[in-house]
Amino acid sequence: AQTVTQSQPEMSVQEAETVTLSCTYDTSESDYYLFWYKQPPSRQMILVIRQEAYKQQNATENRFSVNFQKAAKSFSLKISDSQLGDAAMYFCAYRSSNTGNQFYFGTGTSLTVIP
Amino acid sequence: KAGVTQTPRYLIKTRGQQVTLSCSPISGHRSVSWYQQTPGQGLQFLFEYFSETQRNKGNFPGRFSGRQFSNSRSEMNVSTLELGDSALYLCASSPGLVGPIQETQYFGPGTRLLVL
Repeated sequence: AQTVTQSQPEMSVQEAETVTLSCTYDTSESDYYLFWYKQPPSRQMILVIRQEAYKQQNATENRFSVNFQKAAKSFSLKISDSQLGDAAMYFCAYRSSNTGNQFYFGTGTSLTVIP
Repeated sequence: KAGVTQTPRYLIKTRGQQVTLSCSPISGHRSVSWYQQTPGQGLQFLFEYFSETQRNKGNFPGRFSGRQFSNSRSEMNVSTLELGDSALYLCASSPGLVGPIQETQYFGPGTRLLVL
């Protein structure tokens, strides 16, 4: 089974600054999808950004961008101009392109935004 | 479109009882997946249903079962509850397309189950 590792249980960032959350994964597949989800204290999981492994260009969504290094099996999330509303648990997730909708999640990184 | 809804939101049961959780996917979505979230184990995949058939299954005991109805609504059942089943149960829906087509799961708010 694929494994997803988030080595930073907790991170903090000053408001308006930039923070990068790390994620690595282990797979023997060549085609797959990667996601970052955000889970605020209210508990609703929200999609932040997604990346197809066959695309070399890094995905970007407003203040959120990823650094996808396929050879290194690394998928980090950069949050620019951090806002108080960014405070949440962030989960990295892997989905195979072949096995339907089975997602593998990392253990999460708790992000604190300091005013 | 309305989002994924789950009922009930909170549930308290005692050991040995059984429980049924419900999930209504986003309109038009045919795939429903269930996850168990605990502080110790994180998010773990239970199973996925697509067009009323179980398409994927995680490594959970047979006490955990599910089904999907023709309108794509799904239920998850846990029999003979154990203390360790206390968790947040999340449901996620997606269109259900497979293969080299982008897929994204959209999550519901979850059902928090406490087993005493």
